[in-house]
Amino acid sequence: AQTVTQSQPEMSVQEAETVTLSCTYDTSESDYYLFWYKQPPSRQMILVIRQEAYKQQNATENRFSVNFQKAAKSFSLKISDSQLGDAAMYFCAYSYNNDMRFGAGTRLTVKP
Amino acid sequence: NAGVTQTPKFQVLKTGQSMTLQCAQDMNHEYMSWYRQDPGMGLRLIHYSVGAGITDQGEVPNGYNVSRSTTEDFPLRLLSAAPSQTSVYFCASSWDGSTDTQYFGPGTRLTVL
Repeated sequence: AQTVTQSQPEMSVQEAETVTLSCTYDTSESDYYLFWYKQPPSRQMILVIRQEAYKQQNATENRFSVNFQKAAKSFSLKISDSQLGDAAMYFCAYSYNNDMRFGAGTRLTVKP
Repeated sequence: NAGVTQTPKFQVLKTGQSMTLQCAQDMNHEYMSWYRQDPGMGLRLIHYSVGAGITDQGEVPNGYNVSRSTTEDFPLRLLSAAPSQTSVYFCASSWDGSTDTQYFGPGTRLTVL
């Protein structure tokens, strides 16, 4: 079964600095999708960024970018110019054949 | 557009009671799913549906039933609640279950005593 591992239960970053959240996954498939979701204290799950495995180019969305290393099965999220509103739980997710698997999450704290 | 709505927001049950968590979406999405979120474990897929009349099991289906009679609605039934089912439940919908962004409801916090 596919598994997603987030090895950093908690991370902290100073406002305006850059932080990278790690994610690794295990799969034998070649064509799948990867996601980062944000969950603020409101509990609402919000998509941050999406990556298609067959695309070599790393996805970017404004201040958010990923480092996708397919051979290493690694999918890290970089947040640049961190803002107070970035404080949340961040979940990495893998999706294939209608089955989405989530990591355990990383709690990000942003210090003013 | 209301997006994905879930009712109730909170529920307390006694062991052995049954209940249905409601989920509705107004985006005409074919794919709908249910997840549970437990502390330290992220979200786990319970059941999903790729269209009206079609349902399938996810990672943790035991103790839960689903049906999909319309595109809009996807209720989750607990036939005999157990304390192990205490969790936060999320419903989600999307155009495609593998490739597309999932739109999540606000969640239901369920406590089974």
